[in-house]
Amino acid sequence: KAGVTQTPRYLIKTRGQQVTLSCSPISGHRSVSWYQQTPGQGLQFLFEYFSETQRNKGNFPGRFSGRQFSNSRSEMNVSTLELGDSALYLCASSSQGELDTIYFGEGSWLTVV
Amino acid sequence: QKEVEQDPGPLSVPEGAIVSLNCTYSNSAFQYFMWYRQYSRKGPELLMYTYSSGNKEDGRFTAQVDKSSKYISLFIRDSQPSDSATYLCATKHRSEGGGTSYGKLTFGQGTILTVHP
Repeated sequence: KAGVTQTPRYLIKTRGQQVTLSCSPISGHRSVSWYQQTPGQGLQFLFEYFSETQRNKGNFPGRFSGRQFSNSRSEMNVSTLELGDSALYLCASSSQGELDTIYFGEGSWLTVV
Repeated sequence: QKEVEQDPGPLSVPEGAIVSLNCTYSNSAFQYFMWYRQYSRKGPELLMYTYSSGNKEDGRFTAQVDKSSKYISLFIRDSQPSDSATYLCATKHRSEGGGTSYGKLTFGQGTILTVHP
C-alpha cells in the first residue's frame, strides 16, 4: 500500500511569488491535514480537509489556503511568499475513525529567497 | 505558553543506554497521545499511539501516560545508533458530537537524540 505522497519534494521561490504543493493520501483515507515545520516553531497545524470540506484551521494568515478534491487528493497554496514561509510542509492522512493513525508524507521543502 | 512542552535537548547517550523522553501538556481536552520519530529530511513516522493512562510496550519502546499530571513519556531500552533522530510527542482532542477533527495534532518541540557507538 503506497504511503502519503507529496510533490514537489524541493523547491525554491522568490519573495512575492506564490506556490502550490500537492498531496496524495493513502488509498481509502479521506482526511488530509497540512503542517508547517520550522526550527523555531516546530510542527504547526495549518488546516484539515475531509470529504472536500475544510474541517479545521490553524492560526495562519489568509495567504495560506488549501483544497481537497473528490479523490481526496489535496493541494495547499501560499500566496505572496515571505522569507519566513521557508519551511518543511508536511501532509498527513488518516481514515475517518477518531482512533485511526495519522500518517505523514516526506514533506515538501520550500525555500523562499 | 505552548500547549505541549518538550525539552528539545539535544540528548546524547551511549549505545545500550535507556533513554527517557518526556512531554507535559496543559489542555485536559487532549485524550490521545502519540510519539513520532523523524529522521533528518524525512517525514515523521509513528512509533507509539495510546489513549489511556498507563504503559504501552512495543519491542524496545514503552509509552507512558499519566493524565492526572498531564505527563507523557517514551522510554527506549537498549538504544542503538539507528535510534538517532528527533522524537516528537503529539496529542489530539477527543472529537465531540460525531467527530469533526481527525487530523489535528498538537506537537511538542521535539527532542534531538544521538546514540553514539
